[in-house]
Amino acid sequence: QQQVKQSPQSLIVQKGGISIINCAYENTAFDYFPWYQQFPGKGPALLIAIRPDVSEKKEGRFTISFNKSAKQFSLHIMDSQPGDSATYFCAASSRGRGSTLGRLYFGRGTQLTVWP
Amino acid sequence: DAMVIQNPRYQVTQFGKPVTLSCSQTLNHNVMYWYQQKSSQAPKLLFHYYDKDFNNEADTPDNFQSRRPNTSFCFLDIRSPGLGDAAMYLCATRDRGGTEAFFGQGTRLTVV
Repeated sequence: QQQVKQSPQSLIVQKGGISIINCAYENTAFDYFPWYQQFPGKGPALLIAIRPDVSEKKEGRFTISFNKSAKQFSLHIMDSQPGDSATYFCAASSRGRGSTLGRLYFGRGTQLTVWP
Repeated sequence: DAMVIQNPRYQVTQFGKPVTLSCSQTLNHNVMYWYQQKSSQAPKLLFHYYDKDFNNEADTPDNFQSRRPNTSFCFLDIRSPGLGDAAMYLCATRDRGGTEAFFGQGTRLTVV
């Protein structure tokens, strides 16, 4: 069972445009929602993360919008650049007990291509 | 500076020949994870350590084993690799009280 659902699977955006990737979850125990960026042949790297006590978090060109009642969150990349071309994964985790604390559940990923 | 280091970056092994992948960390994190990532898929958790406490995912094949001799090092052993085990293997760490997971560069395993 997919704990976190992500869409779209792939996205093509013109340079300077806005890229939007959406994720949805069911488990209300999730309380940490990171986005990871992965370039080919590299490991995922944390891009930005949010907790459910805020509805939006912005870092530079990257913004997470969070809708707790709808159990959805999204990543917006403003002024998309060719260097942003990568695979983006949303994830979720919860303050579980002991060893389950912080276990990440990943979405399936979105392959973003930004055309120059 | 690399904080989670995986070796080797690329590994080619023969079908059925045991192989070991290694991961080391300079962060002194007590939680370590092993993920398997196949092409165009999300990372799939195989197992993790919380200190020395080993936790196996229910659907991790018995063919996969892990060792953590100390805080800094963790190994993934594949006893009899099959063609379906070809993937990128990712190691990640997390601090006990933290939320951010730090990933290594991964080891790309090819089975021939």
